[in-house]
Amino acid sequence: KQEVTQIPAALSVPEGENLVLNCSFTDSAIYNLQWFRQDPGKGLTSLLLIQSSQREQTSGRLNASLDKSSGRSTLYIAASQPGDSATYLCAALQGGSEKLVFGKGMKLTVNP
Amino acid sequence: DAGITQSPRHKVTETGTPVTLRCHQTENHRYMYWYRQDPGHGLRLIHYSYGVKDTDKGEVSDGYSVSRSKTEDFLLTLESATSSQTSVYFCAISPRQDGSPLHFGNGTRLTVT
Repeated sequence: KQEVTQIPAALSVPEGENLVLNCSFTDSAIYNLQWFRQDPGKGLTSLLLIQSSQREQTSGRLNASLDKSSGRSTLYIAASQPGDSATYLCAALQGGSEKLVFGKGMKLTVNP
Repeated sequence: DAGITQSPRHKVTETGTPVTLRCHQTENHRYMYWYRQDPGHGLRLIHYSYGVKDTDKGEVSDGYSVSRSKTEDFLLTLESATSSQTSVYFCAISPRQDGSPLHFGNGTRLTVT
């Protein structure tokens, strides 16, 4: 059974720092790995999706990497801003399945 | 929000009553999903649909049923609501199965008293 873990559960940093958010998964037979952002009272917004054949994806200040052999993905946020404050979730899609397994998320606070 | 509307946004109901949540999309996507989000459990899949009248169970489907009579609408029904079904329910859509990003609605907060 796939398990997705995000540690730590919360992080508070000053504005301007470069951040690395971690995601680990137990079953490497994934189809893709997705990163989402959730603002309070809102749904999830897709940030980046990495297919199993890819090593990384970039969008603006965000870069996500995938290492299937070690069961890890990282989301790198460059030059963090207060507007980046949100909960970040990763999710792994099993091959041949509709089951997207989510981590419990990491709450990020970027202080001005 | 990728053309996804969930209704109602908030609902309070009593134990034992039936409840129906609606998800409406304007994207003509084939796949639609219902998730629930609970503290300590994260997001869990309840049911999903891969076409009109084509649905399947997720990991927490007991006590829930779904229907999809039109591409744009996916209904989630709690046959007899229980306090354990108090949660935030999210609908999500995707154009295909091959790992396209999911787009989520803003959720329905359901309280069962």
